[in-house]
Amino acid sequence: DSGVTQTPKHLITATGQRVTLRCSPRSGDLSVYWYQQSLDQGLQFLIHYYNGEERAKGNILERFSAQQFPDLHSELNLSSLELGDSALYFCASTPGTPSGANVLTFGAGSRLTVL
Amino acid sequence: AQSVTQLGSHVSVSEGALVLLRCNYSSSVPPYLFWYVQYPNQGLQLLLKYTSAATLVKGINGFEAEFKKSETSFHLTKPSAHMSDAAEYFCAVRLANQAGTALIFGKGTTLSVSS
Repeated sequence: DSGVTQTPKHLITATGQRVTLRCSPRSGDLSVYWYQQSLDQGLQFLIHYYNGEERAKGNILERFSAQQFPDLHSELNLSSLELGDSALYFCASTPGTPSGANVLTFGAGSRLTVL
Repeated sequence: AQSVTQLGSHVSVSEGALVLLRCNYSSSVPPYLFWYVQYPNQGLQLLLKYTSAATLVKGINGFEAEFKKSETSFHLTKPSAHMSDAAEYFCAVRLANQAGTALIFGKGTTLSVSS
């Protein structure tokens, strides 16, 4: 157990629907990163939050959004889902003190299947 | 912008043989480099990291990697493969002067180990 908790583990939904993925970082970690893993694109960085504030955006679609709450958990919202959104979505957290050497600790992921 | 290239999407070795997984990075400033391993249906787990100290870095499970600036490489090795090493391996880079930024991952290399 990495200490990063992601729910749900599996999710099956239909095109056009909206889903929310949840992430609880390791105790004491202030940064949360979201990644999408698919067979064709590999691991793609989506978005980074630090202590409730958005810090960086990667290849995140406009249909996707995220937020980090005061208790530091984060949610990734995916709307108007398309077949191509089927992927593993990972959350990772790092300690509070910003450092390039900080190691990302990953959760087990949420597998989204869009039918 | 920084990037990572993993040469060979699939590497097959026999049990007891040398494991060599190749990673080359592109960065205009000193990087921090990481190797992660992903077992089936699990999240990513850190193997080792390079943060500008010793160029030869030892990680978990007998893996090590050497940072070679002249070759812009950070290849992962293990002297003797074990069946349990079968997994997908990812090399990742972050610029050393950008604390808190996301890791950029390579496409991954799947390691198969045969008996």
